[in-house]
Amino acid sequence: EPEVTQTPSHQVTQMGQEVILRCVPISNHLYFYWYRQILGQKVEFLVSFYNNEISEKSEIFDDQFSVERPDGSNFTLKIRSTKLEDSAMYFCASATEGAISNQPQHFGDGTRLSIL
Amino acid sequence: QKEVEQNSGPLSVPEGAIASLNCTYSDRGSQSFFWYRQYSGKSPELIMSIYSNGDKEDGRFTAQLNKASQYVSLLIRDSQPSDSATYLCAAPDRGGYNKLIFGAGTRLAVHP
Repeated sequence: EPEVTQTPSHQVTQMGQEVILRCVPISNHLYFYWYRQILGQKVEFLVSFYNNEISEKSEIFDDQFSVERPDGSNFTLKIRSTKLEDSAMYFCASATEGAISNQPQHFGDGTRLSIL
Repeated sequence: QKEVEQNSGPLSVPEGAIASLNCTYSDRGSQSFFWYRQYSGKSPELIMSIYSNGDKEDGRFTAQLNKASQYVSLLIRDSQPSDSATYLCAAPDRGGYNKLIFGAGTRLAVHP
């Protein structure tokens, strides 16, 4: 069964450094998302991406965050200058259509980001 | 702010019993709901979706939706220790570009 793949599985970075998290969504999917989950807390929406542009972003997704789909397969999340509070699991998700049309989002295995 | 609420648990059931997980939501216009299972340290895994009032069955899982009461539930029959996980209820934000709003999850423990 097709799946969303994320790399790396674990990223350890010094505070203030840039980090790029990578995702390969399911090939026929059109909608892409990043979520994060701080340890012990809810899964929180960060950003959605459709037709090569951001369709929505949360208040967490400030100027330090950016997303890109540099080619036909990869979808990346960049944090420019990491902070301690960025430590979390980051999940990429994709869907064939938007959730309003009832198509579910499928999640990758996540990247555990640890900021030192 | 639209909310999805779940009892955090833990819900402890013996092996072979029925586990009942509940979720309420604040947006009366919500049309679809998703149940995800999340093992500790792992990603959410979709197990059920439901869009219409009533019951939807898939193997040992049954999702129930009552839009009038803004209530959705998940029943797990013949619970197994491998079902021990956190179960997340999620609904798409109709006012947004399809982002999912998650509940905090209910931790289920199935003991032999």
